[in-house]
Amino acid sequence: AQTVTQSQPEMSVQEAETVTLSCTYDTSESDYYLFWYKQPPSRQMILVIRQEAYKQQNATENRFSVNFQKAAKSFSLKISDSQLGDAAMYFCAYRSPETGANSKLTFGKGITLSVRP
Amino acid sequence: DAGITQSPRYKITETGRQVTLMCHQTWSHSYMFWYRQDLGHGLRLIYYSAAADITDKGEVPDGYVVSRSKTENFPLTLESATRSQTSVYFCASVGRRNEKLFFGSGTQLSVL
Repeated sequence: AQTVTQSQPEMSVQEAETVTLSCTYDTSESDYYLFWYKQPPSRQMILVIRQEAYKQQNATENRFSVNFQKAAKSFSLKISDSQLGDAAMYFCAYRSPETGANSKLTFGKGITLSVRP
Repeated sequence: DAGITQSPRYKITETGRQVTLMCHQTWSHSYMFWYRQDLGHGLRLIYYSAAADITDKGEVPDGYVVSRSKTENFPLTLESATRSQTSVYFCASVGRRNEKLFFGSGTQLSVL
């Protein structure tokens, strides 16, 4: 079974600075998907970024980028130019490449990010 | 994504009572999921369903029952609520070829 580990329960960043959230995972599969979800106080689960394991290029979405190290099974999220609205809980998640029922996500425990003005 | 709705948004109940959380999606997605979110545990899968009348257990199914008589609905029932079932519950769905899971807005359940 796949596992996802987020070892830092909390992090803090100064507004406009850069912060990196760590995530490691364990799998025997060679192809899979990795995700970062943001959960603000509203509880809504918002997809931030997605990475396909077969792609060597790291995914980027505006101020959000990942550092995907497949051999090390590491998937960190970098937030540049942090904004107050980035304050939220962030979850790293894994999904196998199969569709349908195996689209279920395996989540890490989450990290609470606070942004200091 | 307004296509998946959960109700109620908040619920308070007492130990031993039966509680049903509702989930409805308008996309005709085949696959639906129930997760619970607890501090320090992230989101854990309770049950999932591949189609109407097809359901299977996830990681933490004990104390829960699901049904799926119609594709669009996937209710979760706590047969006899316990305090340990105090949690935030999320419903999610995905289409057969769709890679993205769509989440409902969650139900915060308190069992007193």
